[in-house]
Amino acid sequence: ETGVTQTPRHLVMGMTNKKSLKCEQHLGHNAMYWYKQSAKKPLELMFVYSLEERVENNSVPSRFSPECPNSSHLFLHLHTLQPEDSALYLCASSQRATGAIDGYTFGSGTRLTVV
Amino acid sequence: RKEVEQDPGPFNVPEGATVAFNCTYSNSASQSFFWYRQDCRKEPKLLMSVYSSGNEDGRFTAQLNRASQYISLLIRDSKLSDSATYLCVVNIPSGRDDKIIFGKGTRLHILP
Repeated sequence: ETGVTQTPRHLVMGMTNKKSLKCEQHLGHNAMYWYKQSAKKPLELMFVYSLEERVENNSVPSRFSPECPNSSHLFLHLHTLQPEDSALYLCASSQRATGAIDGYTFGSGTRLTVV
Repeated sequence: RKEVEQDPGPFNVPEGATVAFNCTYSNSASQSFFWYRQDCRKEPKLLMSVYSSGNEDGRFTAQLNRASQYISLLIRDSKLSDSATYLCVVNIPSGRDDKIIFGKGTRLHILP
């Protein structure tokens, strides 16, 4: 079992669909993150959860809705997405929410295509 | 000026050669610096932290120049397996929580 597991690995969805991305960490970390990586752009932080409480929301459109039911699981619910939302969505976890980027473990990502 | 800037490349380098690339940052309050490696269609993985005194890990050497606000990564005796995108990451203290800024990455192709 790898440290951070994301499902699905690939997702193609229509603009009117509703889908969810799942992330699970088996490292005992207290913080989890959603990042978006678009082509030719740097990684963009979307959401941060620390001890299941959302501590950061970087002006992400409401069509992205995170959920953190416990410290091991993180979801990203998607609805009425736009084609420009097509990207690689990466989940990460760390022992704590502040600093210590070297303590981040990334999942393999979900490659999302919106058609 | 962008917070973290990298030459996107690609750097096409023959196997066995030495290659180096830099990353500049704009915020002088930046405290921690890292190089991550990202293979095509894979997640980023920590390559090495960058310490003030510089650090070396096998064929890889990372250095920090605070006066000129850049970090560098040097790869000696490059291998085909070094082909990847190298992401510069900067940790900036920001109130209660730090800001983690990723560069766009530098693509490296090692040629046989």
